[in-house]
Amino acid sequence: DAGVIQSPRHEVTEMGQEVTLRCKPISGHDYLFWYRQTMMRGLELLIYFNNNVPIDDSGMPEDRFSAKMPNASFSTLKIQPSEPRDSAVYFCASSLSTGGTQYFGPGTRLTVL
Amino acid sequence: KNEVEQSPQNLTAQEGEFITINCSYSVGISALHWLQQHPGGGIVSLFMLSSGKKKHGRLIATINIQEKHSSLHITASHPRDSAVYICAVSYTGNQFYFGTGTSLTVIP
Repeated sequence: DAGVIQSPRHEVTEMGQEVTLRCKPISGHDYLFWYRQTMMRGLELLIYFNNNVPIDDSGMPEDRFSAKMPNASFSTLKIQPSEPRDSAVYFCASSLSTGGTQYFGPGTRLTVL
Repeated sequence: KNEVEQSPQNLTAQEGEFITINCSYSVGISALHWLQQHPGGGIVSLFMLSSGKKKHGRLIATINIQEKHSSLHITASHPRDSAVYICAVSYTGNQFYFGTGTSLTVIP
């Protein structure tokens, strides 16, 4: 298996632009997680899905952030409009079962100028 | 609040040394996870524990449920072990609550 796939790996954009991050989980995994990592706050859960349904989005910072999972093999995290404080590494992870081992993608390094 | 504390924050060791990283949490958990993040940024799951001890190669993870404490040990450390080690706990749901990480540098 190719593991969790994220794209792009790096994104540089200007403040106010829309940013879309993409994730393909491991086939057969029912859970998908979006995390953000910054130097100040470490790793934080933004949102997670079970069987394509958002279960907990309490970590989403504000309305500028939205996430979708239209099918079992694809999810997006969108930031509109982006701000410099959104600069971080965004990880996607998937797992097979409740509370089980999570497999992380390589991350997307986002820089908002 | 679900607190996960790790110590030390930074650790430098000579190659061959035995290394211990500690993790404490504040409330009962369903599982504890040890993750490794290499300088390139990728995150790898090392262990998932709900009780006892697990071993994989030179890595050993233990957990004491009563004391709400876990340790990650590295025997015969090597420069390639240099990474950030992150403790995470999960409760009845699926969310991970992360410690701040321990940055390990192993010097040849």
